[in-house]
Amino acid sequence: GENVEQHPSTLSVQEGDSAVIKCTYSDSASNYFPWYKQELGKGPQLIIDIRSNVGEKKDQRIAVTLNKTAKHFSLHITETQPEDSAVYFCAARRNNAGNMLTFGGGTRLMVKP
Amino acid sequence: GAVVSQHPSRVICKSGTSVKIECRSLDFQATTMFWYRQFPKKSLMLMATSNEGSKATYEQGVEKDKFLINHASLTLSTLTVTSAHPEDSSFYICSAEVQKFYNEQFFGPGTRLTVL
Repeated sequence: GENVEQHPSTLSVQEGDSAVIKCTYSDSASNYFPWYKQELGKGPQLIIDIRSNVGEKKDQRIAVTLNKTAKHFSLHITETQPEDSAVYFCAARRNNAGNMLTFGGGTRLMVKP
Repeated sequence: GAVVSQHPSRVICKSGTSVKIECRSLDFQATTMFWYRQFPKKSLMLMATSNEGSKATYEQGVEKDKFLINHASLTLSTLTVTSAHPEDSSFYICSAEVQKFYNEQFFGPGTRLTVL
């Protein structure tokens, strides 16, 4: 089955700096890679995703890159703000209906004002 | 958008009682829903995959008689924790697959279960 590793487990940055979270996966057939943001006591929210037919995707201050050969993908947050503080999860899946997501262990991001 | 709701958001019960958690897709039909369990400061652990009109598929180690899942309609799946014990206390989260959004999963807000 799929195995997703996520690093670092905690990340502290100053407001305005960039934050990078990295994930690796094991199943070469995985082709869908979402990122979720989870605030305390709430469910995860999809913030960005990427499919294997592209190498990079950007949405305002958030970007995701994918290297299928190396089987790793990364989340980049620029100009971080205190409200970016949360736990971020990466996940991987074969993009067929009904297939389960395999989650990374999560990264606790703290943005210091 | 794709909105998923859960009810209740928080429940406290006594040992031995059963608790039902509802997961609803509000503005779309969900053939497939997923139930997760999350311990404090840990990642999401998939418990089961719920398909409308058929039996749920449980992950290894999850007791199907303990965690009853019913997906009777395209907008509702329920998780019943039977004869709850303190070790069942956890954060339970459902998600629904949205086919029109390339099978993306949208998550509910979660239910905090505390068993005394």
